[in-house]
Amino acid sequence: KQEVTQIPAALSVPEGENLVLNCSFTDSAIYNLQWFRQDPGKGLTSLLLIQSSQREQTSGRLNASLDKSSGRSTLYIAASQPGDSATYLCAVRRSGYSTLTFGKGTMLLVSP
Amino acid sequence: DAGVIQSPRHEVTEMGQEVTLRCKPISGHDYLFWYRQTMMRGLELLIYFNNNVPIDDSGMPEDRFSAKMPNASFSTLKIQPSEPRDSAVYFCASRPGQGFQYGYTFGSGTRLTVV
Repeated sequence: KQEVTQIPAALSVPEGENLVLNCSFTDSAIYNLQWFRQDPGKGLTSLLLIQSSQREQTSGRLNASLDKSSGRSTLYIAASQPGDSATYLCAVRRSGYSTLTFGKGTMLLVSP
Repeated sequence: DAGVIQSPRHEVTEMGQEVTLRCKPISGHDYLFWYRQTMMRGLELLIYFNNNVPIDDSGMPEDRFSAKMPNASFSTLKIQPSEPRDSAVYFCASRPGQGFQYGYTFGSGTRLTVV
C-alpha cells in the first residue's frame, strides 16, 4: 500500500522568502507525481506533474523535483508572495494503478 | 474547456434523506474519479470509472453509497440514507487516459452537510 507523507504540516514565512515543501512516498514504483494547490473552500488546482522518467518540472516560480529511488519529491517556491498562501498537496500514482494517493498537505501562509 | 463541473456546490440535508451529487467530466477524458475529503482522513478515493464502467469501488464506505456513469459526460454519486458522518467535501476528477503523462483535473467539489 502506498503511503504519502508531507512535511511540514504547516509553514508560515514572510513575503519574499524561498521555500521548500517536502513529500515522501513508500513505494518507489510510480507512474507520476502531481502537486496541487487548494485554496480554502475551493477545489484542487494542478500545479505540476512529474512523470516517473523525469527529475524535475518547472512552471514560473515553482520547481518540483522527483527522486524515485529515495521516495521523495520537493516543491520549491521562489520569492514567495501572499497570494501563494494555500494548502499544497502531493499525490502519487503507483505503477499499474489508475488512482492517486494523496498526502495530508502543507498549509502555507505567506505574510506581507 | 470548462473543466470538471460539479453540482451542487453546497448541499445541506437532514439525516435520512437521499443526496445526489453530480459531475460532468472534461470531454474526451476516459477516466472519472470520485474522492471524498475530510479533515481527519484527507482525500480518499471512493470509486472510479473507465469508459463509463466502474472499475474499483472498494473505497465506497457502505451500501448507502452508490455511483453511476450512464454516459461519457455525466456521473452521479448517491447517498441513501444520509448520515451526519457523511458530511465532507466530495470531489470529482477526470483524466484523459492511462499513460503516465496524464494528470488529473479536479472539479470545485460539493460541500455536503448532513444535520
